[in-house]
Amino acid sequence: GAGVSQSPSNKVTEKGKDVELRCDPISGHTALYWYRQSLGQGLEFLIYFQGNSAPDKSGLPSDRFSAERTGGSVSTLTIQRTQQEDSAVYLCASSDQSSYNEQFFGPGTRLTVL
Amino acid sequence: RKEVEQDPGPFNVPEGATVAFNCTYSNSASQSFFWYRQDCRKEPKLLMSVYSSGNEDGRFTAQLNRASQYISLLIRDSKLSDSATYLCVVNPAGGFKTIFGAGTRLFVKA
Repeated sequence: GAGVSQSPSNKVTEKGKDVELRCDPISGHTALYWYRQSLGQGLEFLIYFQGNSAPDKSGLPSDRFSAERTGGSVSTLTIQRTQQEDSAVYLCASSDQSSYNEQFFGPGTRLTVL
Repeated sequence: RKEVEQDPGPFNVPEGATVAFNCTYSNSASQSFFWYRQDCRKEPKLLMSVYSSGNEDGRFTAQLNRASQYISLLIRDSKLSDSATYLCVVNPAGGFKTIFGAGTRLFVKA
């Protein structure tokens, strides 16, 4: 079946611009996660959704970052007024409650802020 | 102290070797543990869960030591295809939040 998809795969933007990243989870997966991975680094947890609600937003780096999920499916991560330090790969993952915490990852969006 | 710590490596081993990675975690209330594998410029994929009694999947064995707060991954008879970064993953308090270690890089050479 279809896995987690993300778009765009690559995004180059200028400092100060806003960007929107999209994640389509595996159909039926109730939990959705966003992570950030900088070059050569581990994954940094940003936010997770259970259905449409986000009980844990503790990882969002600043108020320039926001995320939403609609219909218990698609999620968007928005970064306002991008900075060069926002450059990273943004990974989305989804999880089925019955597979406790096994997360299936999308291919990521590589964001470059010039 | 980081919540999850791993030796970054790299580990360079010949084919057929046995190699072991350790990972320590700081929260004693952590409830679930995993090893993920990440190939270069690819997304992470679940390798195996780690159970209290230890578990084995072919050439891979995972162990959990709650008293010392570490988990381990043993790879026997290493293959070239095992070359990757191995990520230790800990769920600190149940639910869905997970903490990833920075990863241990493994290079298996012919």
